[in-house]
Amino acid sequence: AQKITQTQPGMFVQEKEAVTLDCTYDTSDPSYGLFWYKQPSSGEMIFLIYQGSYDQQNATEGRYSLNFQKARKSANLVISASQLGDSAMYFCAMREEYNFNKFYFGSGTKLNVKP
Amino acid sequence: NAGVMQNPRHLVRRRGQEARLRCSPMKGHSHVYWYRQLPEEGLKFMVYLQKENIIDESGMPKERFSAEFPKEGPSILRIQQVVRGDSAAYFCASSPRQGHKDTEAFFGQGTRLTVV
Repeated sequence: AQKITQTQPGMFVQEKEAVTLDCTYDTSDPSYGLFWYKQPSSGEMIFLIYQGSYDQQNATEGRYSLNFQKARKSANLVISASQLGDSAMYFCAMREEYNFNKFYFGSGTKLNVKP
Repeated sequence: NAGVMQNPRHLVRRRGQEARLRCSPMKGHSHVYWYRQLPEEGLKFMVYLQKENIIDESGMPKERFSAEFPKEGPSILRIQQVVRGDSAAYFCASSPRQGHKDTEAFFGQGTRLTVV
């Protein structure tokens, strides 16, 4: 079974609007961390935001917030007030407590911000 | 404060040649991870190393691939007798301490290997 599923291969959003990128995960470990990374066309992986499985509140970092619904095993990334520079691939990733040596990545969502 | 440095950024090899990919972790980081990204896919874990030790190589192909992280110098991912299917982006990541579920890894810009 896939550990991380991102069902949106591509998304479009109008500049200045908000957009939600979906991510669901699968783990039997009660303790885990969820991450979002951005990969612009230049190729580097940029860490955006982190959510721990025991965190009571949704994580926020500037214009990024993580909509964490533990019962549904979803960790959607919300980008508010989209900017042209947000156009990139976005990857959801998970790290488990008992198997913390590795990140599991989803297949990514390509976001295009339209002017 | 330089980030994770990978070189070369782009590497072209003919089938059967060897490819050597280098990764210098962030200053103060002693833990290195290698990931592979095939076209249109997410990153897949290959190997986790500390200085002079391979901790987890469960994602490494059994043949032709090897990795090291010597006491001095960068980490090296070596692919012998490359084949077309090895064409991918190879990312290195580092962290300052042993991995933990809430430790983000800092990634390099990747090496794009093309086998012709």
